[in-house]
Amino acid sequence: AQKITQTQPGMFVQEKEAVTLDCTYDTSDQSYGLFWYKQPSSGEMIFLIYQGSYDEQNATEGRYSLNFQKARKSANLVISASQLGDSAMYFCAMRGNQGGKLIFGQGTELSVKP
Amino acid sequence: GAGVSQSPSNKVTEKGKDVELRCDPISGHTALYWYRQSLGQGLEFLIYFQGNSAPDKSGLPSDRFSAERTGGSVSTLTIQRTQQEDSAVYLCASSPRLGTGDTEAFFGQGTRLTVV
Repeated sequence: AQKITQTQPGMFVQEKEAVTLDCTYDTSDQSYGLFWYKQPSSGEMIFLIYQGSYDEQNATEGRYSLNFQKARKSANLVISASQLGDSAMYFCAMRGNQGGKLIFGQGTELSVKP
Repeated sequence: GAGVSQSPSNKVTEKGKDVELRCDPISGHTALYWYRQSLGQGLEFLIYFQGNSAPDKSGLPSDRFSAERTGGSVSTLTIQRTQQEDSAVYLCASSPRLGTGDTEAFFGQGTRLTVV
């Protein structure tokens, strides 16, 4: 069975500082994909970044980077230079090598303070 | 369409009534997912489709829930004899194809269901 765990229900960060949101996963699949989504208070789900299990480099997208540690089964999201608009729920997700079910963690609510 | 479209955006129904929620995925997307999100909670997987078939229905909470997809496009999620605990936002997502490549899922705006 596949499982995603986000252990931080809520996080605070000062504007312009960096923050790391934790995500660990469990799967027996050899090939899988890891995703991060942002959900602002408006409710929309916004795709942020993707990491494939065989990718050797950590994924980066602008201010977002994914700290992928395969042996530890962790895929933490790092947001650099936090902005007020980064305040939202953040979800880690995984899809296994059967390419089917996309499962999500419980989310982390990030609050950026001015 | 340009994005995933869900209708209605809001639905208030009386306990015991049946409801149908509709999802129109991005044109050409073969994979379609349904999720349920209760207030302040994560996304609970319900079902996904590859084309018109549903390889995994394991997330459907009870036999009151069913879903179908026709023509590899539009999907409907039906909840029969609604209960108050069915109140949630129902999210639909589509993906160009299955696979673990950078095939992120694109989400609709959701249907907020309230059972009174």
